[in-house]
Order: sequence, then structure tokens, then C-alpha cells
Amino acid sequence: QKEVEQDPGPLSVPEGAIVSLNCTYSNSAFQYFMWYRQYSRKGPELLMYTYSSGNKEDGRFTAQVDKSSKYISLFIRDSQPSDSATYLCATPAPNSGYALNFGKGTSLLVTP
Amino acid sequence: EAGVAQSPRYKIIEKRQSVAFWCNPISGHATLYWYQQILGQGPKLLIQFQNNGVVDDSQLPKDRFSAERLKGVDSTLKIQPAKLEDSAVYLCASSLEEGAYDRQYFGPGTRLTVT
Repeated sequence: QKEVEQDPGPLSVPEGAIVSLNCTYSNSAFQYFMWYRQYSRKGPELLMYTYSSGNKEDGRFTAQVDKSSKYISLFIRDSQPSDSATYLCATPAPNSGYALNFGKGTSLLVTP
Repeated sequence: EAGVAQSPRYKIIEKRQSVAFWCNPISGHATLYWYQQILGQGPKLLIQFQNNGVVDDSQLPKDRFSAERLKGVDSTLKIQPAKLEDSAVYLCASSLEEGAYDRQYFGPGTRLTVT
């Protein structure tokens, strides 16, 4: 079983829609969860991070962690064509120098 | 602040040839990572350096891959000989220190095609 599982999509939504992206993780020792956004032919860039359980909001983006079910979510409100990218969930692995365990990434297309 | 620099951006080689990638991390960043991202997958760690020492190279195919970080700044990743399955984007990342909360900054990657 992979450390972090993510549905690769692709996901296509109309502009203005609410988008929900999800991951599950296997190791209950994970405490810190991140969402990276990767545009085509670019490196990943950190979008949001959360620690332990709960919600974190930043503009149109909300990250949510449910430790009881080992579930990580990213919600995008009022989605824009510029949000079209691959979204990667990640968590640092405490037994390997905190390098990141990434999910496969979900490809999102927001159509005008 | 300048970002992580990588070169070349693209490389096409034939199988069994050798290739080298270069990474210049953000100035002052002690930790440097090389990740491999195969098409449709998330990045996978190959090797992590803390200054010029190796922290984790457990997933580096050492029979063909090697990496070094001389003087704790720039790093090179080499593949010799290349196989078809090495076709991927090689991402370099750096962070200020080695810690769960230290943000990793990624370069644009080197896209390798092995034919």
C-alpha cells in the first residue's frame, strides 16, 4: 500500500464550480499535510499546508484533514480557468529526513 | 529571491548512454532533494542531502544512478547507463533545513526522454 493515495482524475469542471480534491494516507504518525499545485512543464509549488486535524482557509482554497479517517481534502470555491493544473497532496515522512511522500496528483481542468 | 535552477530543461538520449543533470538550490538552503516524476505519477524521492552529506538514498538505483553535492551547494545527478524506464522529469528541490515544517522549493525540472 502506498503511503499516500490520490485519484488521478482527470477532473473537468465549468468555471465557477466548487472543486473537491481528496487523498487518503496510511501512516497515522503523519502530522503535517500539504497541497502542491503543478502547472504543465513546471515544478510543484506549495499551495497550502495544515497541521494535524481541522480546516485551513486561504482565499478560495480550503484544506481539511480528518485524522480519524486518514482523509485529506482540498476545496476550491469559484474555480477559475487559471486553476487548471495538477494538484498533489503530500506529507513529510518522519523516518526519511522529512522528504515528501506525494500522491499521484489529480489533473484539474476548469473550462470557461 | 532567485528560485531553484536546473539544467538542462530537456534531454533526449538513447538507452545505454549516460546523462547528467545539474541543480543550483536557493542560496543558504542546507537541504537538497532529487525527485523523479514519471508521467502520471507524483514525485518520488531519489536522494536527499543535508549540506554535502547524504541523508537518504534508499530509493536511488545505485547500480546506475549517482549524485553528489560538493561543497554543500550545487548538485549533479548522473545516470549511466540509461534505461527506457528512466524517462521522467527529474526535479530538484531545496529547503532551509531538514524538518517537517521546512518548505521545499522546487525547480522547473529536467525532462529526460530515453529512446
